[in-house]
Amino acid sequence: LAKTTQPISMDSYEGQEVNITCSHNNIATNDYITWYQQFPSQGPRFIIQGYKTKVTNEVASLFIPADRKSSTLSLPRVSLSDTAVYYCLVGDIIRSGAGSYQLTFGKGTKLSVIP
Amino acid sequence: DAGVTQSPTHLIKTRGQQVTLRCSPKSGHDTVSWYQQALGQGPQFIFQYYEEEERQRGNFPDRFSGHQFPNYSSELNVNALLLGDSALYLCASRPSLAGERNEQFFGPGTRLTVL
Repeated sequence: LAKTTQPISMDSYEGQEVNITCSHNNIATNDYITWYQQFPSQGPRFIIQGYKTKVTNEVASLFIPADRKSSTLSLPRVSLSDTAVYYCLVGDIIRSGAGSYQLTFGKGTKLSVIP
Repeated sequence: DAGVTQSPTHLIKTRGQQVTLRCSPKSGHDTVSWYQQALGQGPQFIFQYYEEEERQRGNFPDRFSGHQFPNYSSELNVNALLLGDSALYLCASRPSLAGERNEQFFGPGTRLTVL
């Protein structure tokens, strides 16, 4: 499984765009990049997933350069409720039910949004 | 849809005791995974159940065991509790035929304290 490196913490003011970058230098050809969000005393929640280029959904955007050795999660106009830990995960997705993918979490990035 | 539910919410045990945690997966999900999250760390994969069998296992000792029932619900058992077993235990579920979407749905967790 590819190892990921991301900042331990980040601060941002409300209304700003936040970009969290994750390094994954030994990403494999079949690996996808997935981001999860976790609020205190709750389980992680899926945010976004991508393989290459750019992916956007109603919550965030994910930018992946051509070499795929890093990725950037972009949160537009953050609010206080975006204060959470954000995890970057890299790994293969096995489609059969018998060999489903196990999630490997690092320590994540603690994002604090300041009023 | 109630999502993933776990019981109990909190639990206090003493060293050497045994504990059973319970999980009901999200409706339509047949694959259940368990994770251990120590304070300040990311969740660590314990094992995964599908079709009532353990399919994958993380780096956890045999003191950690589990079970999946025909209705897809699951139990996590920990024997001979150690102080280091104090953590938030998370259950996650997904449908086996999830395709390329690497999304697992997490419950709120059970906070286990070992004294």
